[in-house]
Amino acid sequence: QSVLTQPASASGTPGQRVTISCSGSTSNIGSNAVAWYQQLPGTAPKPLVFKNNQRPSGVPDRFSGSRSGTSASLAISGLQSEDEADYYCAAWDDSLNAWVFGGGTKLTV
Amino acid sequence: QVQLQESGPGLVKPSETLSLTCAVSGGSIGPYYWSWIRQSPGRGVEWIGYISNIGRTNYNYSLRSRVTISVDMSRNRVSLTLSSVTAADTAVYYCARQHDLLWFDPWGQGALVTVSS
Repeated sequence: QSVLTQPASASGTPGQRVTISCSGSTSNIGSNAVAWYQQLPGTAPKPLVFKNNQRPSGVPDRFSGSRSGTSASLAISGLQSEDEADYYCAAWDDSLNAWVFGGGTKLTV
Repeated sequence: QVQLQESGPGLVKPSETLSLTCAVSGGSIGPYYWSWIRQSPGRGVEWIGYISNIGRTNYNYSLRSRVTISVDMSRNRVSLTLSSVTAADTAVYYCARQHDLLWFDPWGQGALVTVSS
């Protein structure tokens, strides 16, 4: 049971916009920045968003993050076949004094 | 471009100690925090612990009694040891550079460790 809650799966067709949610609490998302990671099969997670809505250099602007209260979301617009991957949210938890992750969302395009 | 490479035994016997090394190339270990993270089908993605730029460590409470993270500045390496392993410790282990309490980037490619007799 992950501390951050994500839907197990999401799907969309090429060109569509998809949103993945991440629900937490006041001790993690409510207090600290959220990051999102993309994991392609057989590879390490790759950062997509940090500090709730900032994109690392090289990440397309099709990917955008937002945070409101104790929830966060990742939006992917102009869906492409190569976006098919697992997506994870993460945040620091002040109560646990630890990083916590979501259970991951498998995106099917 | 900083790159991380994990290495170590891929098979460890139950009750023994798991030891992994993360070689950091393309940059200095110095000013950053370094984390170990593991991933398994049963436990998902789990943070193990970090070591700060001044050698302060912080471990996941559930692993605290068994884990040690250290840094070798002269060799630009970060190490992980996990003692008294069981099958539940079977996972892909990643090292990652941690930016304050904000995010992890980059990640190593991961090292699969299987605990089995």
